Amino acid sequence: QITLKESGPALVKPTQTLTLTCTFSGFSLSASGVAVGWIRQPPGKALEWLALIYWDDDKRYSPSLKNRITISKDTSRTQVVLTMTNMDPVDTATYFCAHRPGYGSESKDAFEVWGQGTKVTVSS
Amino acid sequence: EIVLTQSPGTLSLSPGERATLSCRATQSVSSNHLAWYQQKPGQAPRLLIYGASNRATGIPDRFSGSGSGTDFTLTISRLEPEDFAVYYCQHFGSWTFGQGTKVEIK
Repeated sequence: QITLKESGPALVKPTQTLTLTCTFSGFSLSASGVAVGWIRQPPGKALEWLALIYWDDDKRYSPSLKNRITISKDTSRTQVVLTMTNMDPVDTATYFCAHRPGYGSESKDAFEVWGQGTKVTVSS
Repeated sequence: EIVLTQSPGTLSLSPGERATLSCRATQSVSSNHLAWYQQKPGQAPRLLIYGASNRATGIPDRFSGSGSGTDFTLTISRLEPEDFAVYYCQHFGSWTFGQGTKVEIK
């Protein structure tokens, strides 16, 4: 069973750097085709894709946020970390991580399994 | 940059009715990269459709996806009470999401 869980601070101050961790189980981030992405959702608004990291360490970023965000995976490959600099109140949102299956019979170009999300408020 | 526009913004229907949701891309995209998700209040999105027309595991057959090029459709053949939610399309090639369609009870 694949699970993902986001963790990080619930409250950050403007200009601070946010660091979020996605801890996952049930799959390997070293398997071909596998990826983990970050998506956020401001209160009452739509989903916004932020970043994606593939099994081979290929990284992709939202064009509108690429100067502020960094995605990485740890050496044990059971966590993916997102950092976002210079936080602003407009970054207040629920942040989700999600799993893209690897290549093979179960391959899908979609986020098949999502974490429950972690709510982040930016306020002084 | 590909932009996905979903219509209508809100769909007011009764249980048992058919729902037709549209997702239009600003340029032609591969059908392999078009996905649909359902989101209920306070929950994470759930994958419904991938590759424009393939139902994800456990998704009832009243949900179907179709389309190609720039125009894609999610159809719910007969709305069940649990289907009232917000639906998002996503282009997985650029990973962008549409703005969502809310299906509400009339």
